[in-house]
Amino acid sequence: EPEVTQTPSHQVTQMGQEVILRCVPISNHLYFYWYRQILGQKVEFLVSFYNNEISEKSEIFDDQFSVERPDGSNFTLKIRSTKLEDSAMYFCASGTLYGYTFGSGTRLTVV
Amino acid sequence: DAKTTQPTSMDCAEGRAANLPCNHSTISGNEYVYWYRQIHSQGPQYIIHGLKNNETNEMASLIITEDRKSSTLILPHATLRDTAVYYCIVRDGNAGNMLTFGGGTRLMVKP
Repeated sequence: EPEVTQTPSHQVTQMGQEVILRCVPISNHLYFYWYRQILGQKVEFLVSFYNNEISEKSEIFDDQFSVERPDGSNFTLKIRSTKLEDSAMYFCASGTLYGYTFGSGTRLTVV
Repeated sequence: DAKTTQPTSMDCAEGRAANLPCNHSTISGNEYVYWYRQIHSQGPQYIIHGLKNNETNEMASLIITEDRKSSTLILPHATLRDTAVYYCIVRDGNAGNMLTFGGGTRLMVKP
């Protein structure tokens, strides 16, 4: 069964550093998403991406965040200057018209 | 805000059917009902979705009331591996729309 692959599974970074979280979506999917889940809290939408541009974003997705598809297959989330409160599980998802598949997540720990 | 209401937690005996209710009284005509689950800290896993008619797949059945204001997810023979948080989500049929996760129902399957 096709999977969404995320790397790394766990990343520790110092506050103020830039991080890039990577995702390989399912190959024939056209819609891409990032969500996050702070420990013990709800899964929160960050951004959706379609046709090489952002289609929706939440209030969480401020100027510190950016997404891109650098090579037509990978889908990345960049956090420019990490804060302690960015510590969370970050989930990538890719989808079709009727629903989507999540990856297993990257646990980001900001120290 | 999530447009659904679910019980916070439920227990089910292993081998018995698990019936998870969801209220979505403000659902609009073009909104689908989706069910996902999250096992521990893994990425949410798609289970099933429907618009008006009852649906069944290899994982579960979805029963939607005629007025569409509520639905029930049925796991016909729950196993210990079905212990998870189950999310009922309404989503516009327009592809690309985000999923808004609520608190879900924490299902505990007991031996």
